[in-house]
Amino acid sequence: DVVMTQSPLSLSVTPGEPASISCRSSQSLLLDNGYNYMDWYLQKPGQSPQLLIYLGSNRASGVPDRFSGSGSGTDFTLKISRVEAEDVGVYYCMQALQSLYSFGQGTKLEIK
Amino acid sequence: EVQLVESGGGLVQPGGSLRLSCTASGFTFSHYWMHWVRQAPGEGLVWISRVDSDGGSIFYADSVKGRFTSSRDNAKNVLYLEMNSLRGEDTAVYYCLREVGGVAGDYWGQGTLVTVSS
Repeated sequence: DVVMTQSPLSLSVTPGEPASISCRSSQSLLLDNGYNYMDWYLQKPGQSPQLLIYLGSNRASGVPDRFSGSGSGTDFTLKISRVEAEDVGVYYCMQALQSLYSFGQGTKLEIK
Repeated sequence: EVQLVESGGGLVQPGGSLRLSCTASGFTFSHYWMHWVRQAPGEGLVWISRVDSDGGSIFYADSVKGRFTSSRDNAKNVLYLEMNSLRGEDTAVYYCLREVGGVAGDYWGQGTLVTVSS
């Protein structure tokens, strides 16, 4: 099974400052078609998760351009260029490479 | 408008059974793979099952394999999760979500809470 490891598990960021979350997979998520089968989600307090980034680097519909995803193979990064108060919540990476999907542990973002 | 609405959660005793439903609307249900994901109180997201578009291929996480059964009725636009031999550790909010083209989770339901307790 593919294990997803996120870091850090929590971070506190001043509004307007950047933030970065790492996700590492135990197996390469890059297929021969050139796509990385890894997505990022944000779960805001009291809400269902929402898709932020799909296939490694593509922003989902309606997601602000301050969010970006990068990486390939086993190492991925979610970056927020300028954190806003509405970005608080828990961020998860998820791999969709194999038939058995799996999430990272989650990274809790708080505002200073 | 795409909607996924879970139902069927509640309080059940250990060893008991429960069937969850996820009713889809606003899109062609039969074109999408569907998933179940759960979240125990205060914990992270855990993937538990995937059902392909016609229900012919279904996968389960090891933690529920042999106890849970996923299915779908494309005529009714409903995804099901039959849960048997329930344990305390199955206590969680259960979400359904859709996938197409390798992109999972563009829409999630609001979740339904299952509590396993005596």
